[in-house]
Amino acid sequence: QKEVEQNSGPLSVPEGAIASLNCTYSDRGSQSFFWYRQYSGKSPELIMSIYSNGDKEDGRFTAQLNKASQYVSLLIRDSQPSDSATYLCAAMEYGNKLVFGAGTILRVKS
Amino acid sequence: DTAVSQTPKYLVTQMGNDKSIKCEQNLGHDTMYWYKQDSKKFLKIMFSYNNKELIINETVPNRFSPKSPDKAHLNLHINSLELGDSAVYFCASSPFIDGQETQYFGPGTRLLVL
Repeated sequence: QKEVEQNSGPLSVPEGAIASLNCTYSDRGSQSFFWYRQYSGKSPELIMSIYSNGDKEDGRFTAQLNKASQYVSLLIRDSQPSDSATYLCAAMEYGNKLVFGAGTILRVKS
Repeated sequence: DTAVSQTPKYLVTQMGNDKSIKCEQNLGHDTMYWYKQDSKKFLKIMFSYNNKELIINETVPNRFSPKSPDKAHLNLHINSLELGDSAVYFCASSPFIDGQETQYFGPGTRLLVL
């Protein structure tokens, strides 16, 4: 069973700090990785996608991928209370199958 | 201008009943999916269709039957509902770009089986 592992948290950070969310995956064949944000009672919303080793930045968000270590991370700079949500890491397997981690709860304290 | 829509938003029903959930996307995507999110918030794929053809069929009881009348619609019919079917069911869609298909989710259907 191919898996995506995340620390369930909650991860608590003060407003303005950097939040660091981590994820590991078991399928070495996965090439595409995604971070989704899910507010309570809402649907998952895409934050970032990353396909190549290294960093990818989009505004306050930076995704990092290390395929050798099978590790994906998401950094949120200048964290805001509105960033408080569950962050889902997902790896794409053969056949466009997205395998999700259980999610990390992030709480940003004002 | 909703991209991926689902009906109904909430569904409360008795054990043993049969129910359907409908999904429509107006993004022009070729592929549509059904996911189940259980009480522990774990999101797991059930089915996917590409241009009306079944692509992914995970280990799901055969009481669940997807139907895709055209590439913009993917419905989910559930027979003989059980308590364990209570969950949030999300529809999603993605374009067909090999290896980089971002999936966009609908608002979810909250199913409660009593």
